[in-house]
Amino acid sequence: EAGVVQSPRYKIIEKKQPVAFWCNPISGHNTLYWYLQNLGQGPELLIRYENEEAVDDSQLPKDRFSAERLKGVDSTLKIQPAELGDSAVYLCASSLGGDRINNEQFFGPGTRLTVL
Amino acid sequence: GNSVTQMEGPVTLSEEAFLTINCTYTATGYPSLFWYVQYPGEGLQLLLKATKADDKGSNKGFEATYRKETTSFHLEKGSVQVSDSAVYFCASTDSWGKLQFGAGTQVVVTP
Repeated sequence: EAGVVQSPRYKIIEKKQPVAFWCNPISGHNTLYWYLQNLGQGPELLIRYENEEAVDDSQLPKDRFSAERLKGVDSTLKIQPAELGDSAVYLCASSLGGDRINNEQFFGPGTRLTVL
Repeated sequence: GNSVTQMEGPVTLSEEAFLTINCTYTATGYPSLFWYVQYPGEGLQLLLKATKADDKGSNKGFEATYRKETTSFHLEKGSVQVSDSAVYFCASTDSWGKLQFGAGTQVVVTP
């Protein structure tokens, strides 16, 4: 079974440029998550989707970050414009949904963003 | 909201040594508790979990017991291998299933 796929794996951009990350979850997983992981820290949730609907985006900085999950499968996370402080690893995860408490999340390898 | 605190790393051990990584949590209600592992260049993988008090999660020789009285979920392994070198994250879920991670503990096992 294929895992969560993310691309690109690495991205280097200059500040004020836009950038986009793509995630393909495990087939059949209704719930999709985007996390931000700063160096030396644990992941922090940015947004959670149940199918096409963003059900928790309280931690997403909406002035420059946006996300979409058209058709309830793949998802894209965008930053426009990027700032130096956005340098981090962006992780995507997916889960089956249903039981919220015991719902195992499967993580992709992440996209490491460097903003110069 | 929930929070998780785990011991800082790096933790450096010799092969076959005993490993303990401390983890404590604060939460309202009764969270589920998890240990995730991140090997170099890879995504996070679930190592083990426990969903209620006194449950013991175990996998690959690792164990952790959900201690409600001490709000802890310490990770242990009796004899580590070089292949166990990784970053280990303790995490809890709130009633909505939102994962709250600790800062991670890097473990380095030397031959």
